[in-house]
Amino acid sequence: DTGVSQDPRHKITKRGQNVTFRCDPISEHNRLYWYRQTLGQGPEFLTYFQNEAQLEKSRLLSDRFSAERPKGSFSTLEIQRTEQGDSAMYLCASSFPSAGIVETQYFGPGTRLLVL
Amino acid sequence: GNSVTQMEGPVTLSEEAFLTINCTYTATGYPSLFWYVQYPGEGLQLLLKATKADDKGSNKGFEATYRKETTSFHLEKGSVQVSDSAVYFCALVGAGGTSYGKLTFGQGTILTVHP
Repeated sequence: DTGVSQDPRHKITKRGQNVTFRCDPISEHNRLYWYRQTLGQGPEFLTYFQNEAQLEKSRLLSDRFSAERPKGSFSTLEIQRTEQGDSAMYLCASSFPSAGIVETQYFGPGTRLLVL
Repeated sequence: GNSVTQMEGPVTLSEEAFLTINCTYTATGYPSLFWYVQYPGEGLQLLLKATKADDKGSNKGFEATYRKETTSFHLEKGSVQVSDSAVYFCALVGAGGTSYGKLTFGQGTILTVHP
């Protein structure tokens, strides 16, 4: 399978704990995106990377959230001191933009987080 | 900023019925427009896209036309099947600047097709 993979698929944690999610993009895709999707809503942009550089962060990404892509391949998203409002599906997507062609983002299956 | 509004759902149809899911957008310039589909238990998949005014995107019997004058990108299918049951998301990518590459999604429309 050469698609985008995410781990874990499900995570249940208690309020105040830290959690970390991993995303493995399609190989040779140099752009990687994180989105958050709450129940009944469409995904909302959180942040994106071009290779290892984090180029944009949403206001949704409070200082409790941090994302990394240390070698320009896989990425991690960490949430510190989780709150019940962090409960959501966290989606990762990757792409390989080409000049003059609108990029297509390929999504992983997501990590569903439940904060008790 | 950019925004996408989809028709309120859910939508329930009988097999072979005609489907329309409305989508309108607000954006500066000329965004690119997308429909994504999310089947039960699976990740988001690109269904179709259109990159300029009057373009028609099509795939798997679904079609959508980029209407600049009405800022719309309505999804249509002439004859739906039970296997089309899923959540459909309209989305856009802004034209350049800081919004380049970043998808803005509508709230999604749940489609259920009965035999």
